[in-house]
Amino acid sequence: DTEVTQTPKHLVMGMTNKKSLKCEQHMGHRAMYWYKQKAKKPPELMFVYSYEKLSINESVPSRFSPECPNSSLLNLHLHALQPEDSALYLCASSLRLAGAVSGDNEQFFGPGTRLTVL
Amino acid sequence: SQQGEEDPQALSIQEGENATMNCSYKTSINNLQWYRQNSGRGLVHLILIRSNEREKHSGRLRVTLDTSKKSSSLLITASRAADTASYFCAHPHGNSGAGSYQLTFGKGTKLSVIP
Repeated sequence: DTEVTQTPKHLVMGMTNKKSLKCEQHMGHRAMYWYKQKAKKPPELMFVYSYEKLSINESVPSRFSPECPNSSLLNLHLHALQPEDSALYLCASSLRLAGAVSGDNEQFFGPGTRLTVL
Repeated sequence: SQQGEEDPQALSIQEGENATMNCSYKTSINNLQWYRQNSGRGLVHLILIRSNEREKHSGRLRVTLDTSKKSSSLLITASRAADTASYFCAHPHGNSGAGSYQLTFGKGTKLSVIP
């Protein structure tokens, strides 16, 4: 299984709602990532989990709350979002870290969740 | 975080022609990767080239890396309509510490292959 799955594919929420995005991989990867991508822009890193521990938080507002319940799952909890948070949210995983010398650095991406905040 | 530059920003070619995209970066790297993204979808890893490699091939893809100029190019030969997508270069933000976790993406080239 060389796939990263994400649910839901689309999500529309109001600014007072609480919702969660889910990501799953069964490749045995121990690094998992959340990215945010606005239209016509490259992905921007939000969070990195390594061995189920949060390693990087790129100054993301607290209305985004990541969770890694086990080595295969990654969640992103959303609360009190703003319309400018509307974007494609991508999950990725990798066997090794991006800068590792030994190889297998490539990241496998899920199809993303298209989020619209009204 | 730093972002590399890619050019051109957009490229439109006829099916069967070759497409060349360029990427420049600013830091020392130990590898550089290319990804493809179809409209509104996830990214797909295409190829990785290490800093001690100058050229790498994978099917119709050819990647070069010039570490002295901090630049890379992606050549797609005999293009097909299905190659229509955005192409991003990416490299680790560092090779140790927190930087090694981060993949820094270029701004991307939007390729349109006209049938």
